[in-house]
Order: sequence, then structure tokens, then C-alpha cells
Amino acid sequence: GQNIDQPTEMTATEGAIVQINCTYQTSGFNGLFWYQQHAGEAPTFLSYNVLDGLEEKGRFSSFLSRSKGYSYLLLKELQMKDSASYLCAVRPGSGTYKYIFGTGTRLKVLA
Amino acid sequence: GAVVSQHPSRVICKSGTSVKIECRSLDFQATTMFWYRQFPKKSLMLMATSNEGSKATYEQGVEKDKFLINHASLTLSTLTVTSAHPEDSSFYICSARVSRADEKLFFGSGTQLSVL
Repeated sequence: GQNIDQPTEMTATEGAIVQINCTYQTSGFNGLFWYQQHAGEAPTFLSYNVLDGLEEKGRFSSFLSRSKGYSYLLLKELQMKDSASYLCAVRPGSGTYKYIFGTGTRLKVLA
Repeated sequence: GAVVSQHPSRVICKSGTSVKIECRSLDFQATTMFWYRQFPKKSLMLMATSNEGSKATYEQGVEKDKFLINHASLTLSTLTVTSAHPEDSSFYICSARVSRADEKLFFGSGTQLSVL
């Protein structure tokens, strides 16, 4: 079966750094994605990793280790507007366009 | 980035009626669109993959006759919730890829369905 795990909730302080972890067990692997979703809104794309290593994009970075089935999203210089759910998603197979989403991590940024 | 338009954003209907949700790719052609369902404080659950010009592929446990999907053109996919019941109340979101070379999904703004 397909399984993607994330912590349910996290809390951090404005200006701090937070790391959101994601572990996955899927039938195959063709990329891992991070999306941000504010309450009542559609998810927006943050990052994509297909090879091992760190991808940096402004305040957000994402890391992937395929051998460990593990990824993390790193958010620096937290702002109040970063309070949202962060969804980890995996595309299991090259022959399908399916994307499997994790349960999401609700991040609360406190002043 | 690419734009996916979804309508309506919110709909309230009586039990037993049918509701149609539209998903359009505005500035690209989408041969494949995905329909997701999301319960409060939960993640996205893939319901079906909509393929232009052919039948949709439904995930296990999703009733084909309950959730009708039509992908009649390269820019439009529709999801019809037939004979809606209160348990069908949920947030429905469509998404699409711009091309085979671009892996990321672009999402519509979602439809909050409330069945009374």
C-alpha cells in the first residue's frame, strides 16, 4: 500500500526556523512535492524533489533522501502568514500521474 | 503560473439533488485532471483521474455512479455528485498538470459542498 506520514501539528515562533518531516512508503517513486494550504483555500506549490539533496528557494528549502524514504521542508524566518497546512505528496509511478498526499501538518506561527 | 478555474466555490443543496462542479484550465490544455476530496483538517483524498475523451479512472472505494466525471474537452472536466446526501458534504478540489515536462500540479480554488 501507499503510506505518507507527517506530524499532525507544529507550533513555532515568528522569526524562528521550523522543520516539517515527511516519511513515505510507496510502490514506486517519481518525485516528492510540498504544498502549502491555507484554511478553505486550494493548495499552492512550494517545492519538488526527485533527486537526493537539498533544494533551496528563498525562505523555504526541501530535502530528500530516497534511500530512507524521507523528506523535510525547512521554513526560515517564520512569518505569521506562514501559518497553514503543509502537505507532502509523492508521485509513485512513471506510468501514472497519480499523486498521493500525506495527512498534512498544521503549522501555527505565534507572535 | 498556470491557472485552473473551479466553479462554483460554494454550493448548498437539498438531499437528493445533483450538483455539477466545473474545472477549467484557462491557459493550457489538460489531457488529465484529478479530482480530490478533502474533509476538515484532513489531507487530500484522490477520487478519480479524469482523462480527456475517455472514461475516468476511479480510486478504490469511490462510487462511479455517485460521482460522475466528464472530460469532454482539453480544458474542461466536470464532477457531478448525483443524488447528494449529507455525507457527501465536503471540499472538492480539481487539479491538473501543465505538461508532461512539468511535474507540479496546479489546483482549482475548490468547491465547498453542503448537503442539507
